[in-house]
Order: sequence, then structure tokens, then C-alpha cells
Amino acid sequence: EVQLVESGGGLIQPGGSLRLSCAASGFTVSSNYMSWVRQAPGKGLEWVSVIYSGGSTYYADSVKGRFTISRDNSKNTLYLQMNSLRAEDTAVYYCARGGNGYSYEVWGQGTMVTVSS
Amino acid sequence: QSALTQPASVSGSPGQSITISCTGTSSDVGGYNYVSWYQQHPGKAPKLMIYEVSNRPSGVSNRFSGSKSGNTASLTISGLQAEDEADYYCSSYTSSSTHVVFGGGTKLTVL
Repeated sequence: EVQLVESGGGLIQPGGSLRLSCAASGFTVSSNYMSWVRQAPGKGLEWVSVIYSGGSTYYADSVKGRFTISRDNSKNTLYLQMNSLRAEDTAVYYCARGGNGYSYEVWGQGTMVTVSS
Repeated sequence: QSALTQPASVSGSPGQSITISCTGTSSDVGGYNYVSWYQQHPGKAPKLMIYEVSNRPSGVSNRFSGSKSGNTASLTISGLQAEDEADYYCSSYTSSSTHVVFGGGTKLTVL
């Protein structure tokens, strides 16, 4: 069964760091493009970052320079390293597998990140 | 990168049809046939309903259809059912460095 399971969320103080993980099963992370998408409480979806099968990475302007997307092929896991966290980064973070035409066909259940003092 | 523009809410009665619009620019919706639509129920992860403007993934009801004209894409749901009540989001590839942009979301209420 194709599945994504996120972990690593929690309560963190402003300026702190957190690393999110997304364990994949049923397919190979490195053979697909993978993204992180977040959703602030009561708000819409916001695209955060993508890593393509070739290794290229891209980021939303709101996180550029603070967040880093990566993957561990041996663990079939996607990561999001988040530094210099701000209150506005508070959201549920979803990892998603890319599909045809820049769509996202498989989503994890999400992990909540709360940035607050 | 500005989000794509969607109406905040739409509503319809069971059995009726509704259409949700998604307006962008020539740098995203208008420039590429890479528009997707997602359904999200409260507390759940989004679910892909339409990709590449009008294609349905396996398992998605044919009551859901997509189209595009110029810079505006549309999602039509026919034969509305109570279970269709959810939030709907469009997304598009964009030529900007961010690659993908989402719409602000539309809350569908089935009366």
C-alpha cells in the first residue's frame, strides 16, 4: 500500500529549529518528486518546497533561506529542516508525492507545528 | 507569489450542479495545462480530484469534471451529494521559482 507518514511536529519557541520526517512505503521516494505543503489553522493550503528525482530543490519565498528539503534514499524518507521558526510558520505540514502535471496524488496525514513562546 | 483566486464559498442543493472558478494569470493557469483540484474534508488531508485541467484519477467519481478558459480554470460537480460538502482547492504550475501555487480555497455547502 502506498503511504506517507509524517512525524516530528510539536511546540517550538520562535527562533528555534525542528526537523520533520515523512516515511514512505509502497514506492521509492527518490524516483518521484516530493513536496511539503502546509496549512495554517483555519487557512488554505500553501506550497512550501519540492525536491525532484534529480535532486533539484525549490522553496516558497516565505521559507527560502530558513527551510531545507532533503531525502534519505536508504530510509525512503523525506525531510524538512526548519530553522529560525516564526509564529507565522504555525501550521499542519503535509508531505505529498507528485503525480502527473504537477499534481499531488498521495498525501500524508500531516504533522502539526506550533511556534509560540 | 500570489495565490490563485477562488470564491470563498458556493452552495447547492442535492442533485444540482455547481461550478467553482480558479483565476490566475498567464504565468500559471493560463500558460500551462497543469491545473489540479483537491477536496479536503475537515481534519483530513487533501485528496486529488482532477489533474492536468480535466483528468480524473482512478476512483474519482465522474460527477467531478474540470475545464479551463484563458486564465480561469473551473471545477464542476454534478448531481451534488451530501458527501461533497468540503473545501476545494485549485493549484497550478507557475513559471515563478516556486513552481506550484494554490488557490485560497472554496467552501462548498450542500443545502
